[in-house]
Amino acid sequence: GENVEQHPSTLSVQEGDSAVIKCTYSDSASNYFPWYKQELGKRPQLIIDIRSNVGEKKDQRIAVTLNKTAKHFSLHITETQPEDSAVYFCAASKKESGGYQKVTFGTGTKLQVIP
Amino acid sequence: KAGVTQTPRYLIKTRGQQVTLSCSPISGHRSVSWYQQTPGQGLQFLFEYFSETQRNKGNFPGRFSGRQFSNSRSEMNVSTLELGDSALYLCASSPTYSSNEQFFGPGTRLTVL
Repeated sequence: GENVEQHPSTLSVQEGDSAVIKCTYSDSASNYFPWYKQELGKRPQLIIDIRSNVGEKKDQRIAVTLNKTAKHFSLHITETQPEDSAVYFCAASKKESGGYQKVTFGTGTKLQVIP
Repeated sequence: KAGVTQTPRYLIKTRGQQVTLSCSPISGHRSVSWYQQTPGQGLQFLFEYFSETQRNKGNFPGRFSGRQFSNSRSEMNVSTLELGDSALYLCASSPTYSSNEQFFGPGTRLTVL
């Protein structure tokens, strides 16, 4: 089955600096790669996603890159702010027979932005 | 649209008891997945239901079971509770065919004493 590895497990950056979180996946059939942000005491929420036919996607200060050949994808946050502090989860998803999506999550990265 | 709801939000049980958690997906969503979240362990996949059938199962013992009803609501049951079962249990729903995004509920915080 799919295996998703996520690094680092914790990350501290100064406010204004950039943060990068990396994930690798094992199943080449995976075609959808979402990133979720979970603030303390709250539920995970989707912040950005990328499909396998795209190499990069950007949304304001957040960007995701995908390298299908190497089977890795990364989340980039620029000009970090204290409100970016949270746990970030990557995931890899593929369509199974019957039409449903199988999603495998990474182990999470706790990002701390120091003011 | 109302979001994913889970009941109860908090639960305290003792070892050996059993517990049933409930998840109501977003209206129209047919896929429901369950996850266990413990500090430092990320999101551990329990199982996924689609159209009342279990489609995927994670690496959890048989004490963990679930089901889905015709209205897509899902329940998760844990029998013979152990201290290590203390965790936040999250469910997530997805329309499956039109979108890959999973919408998470607020979770049920289970404490086993």
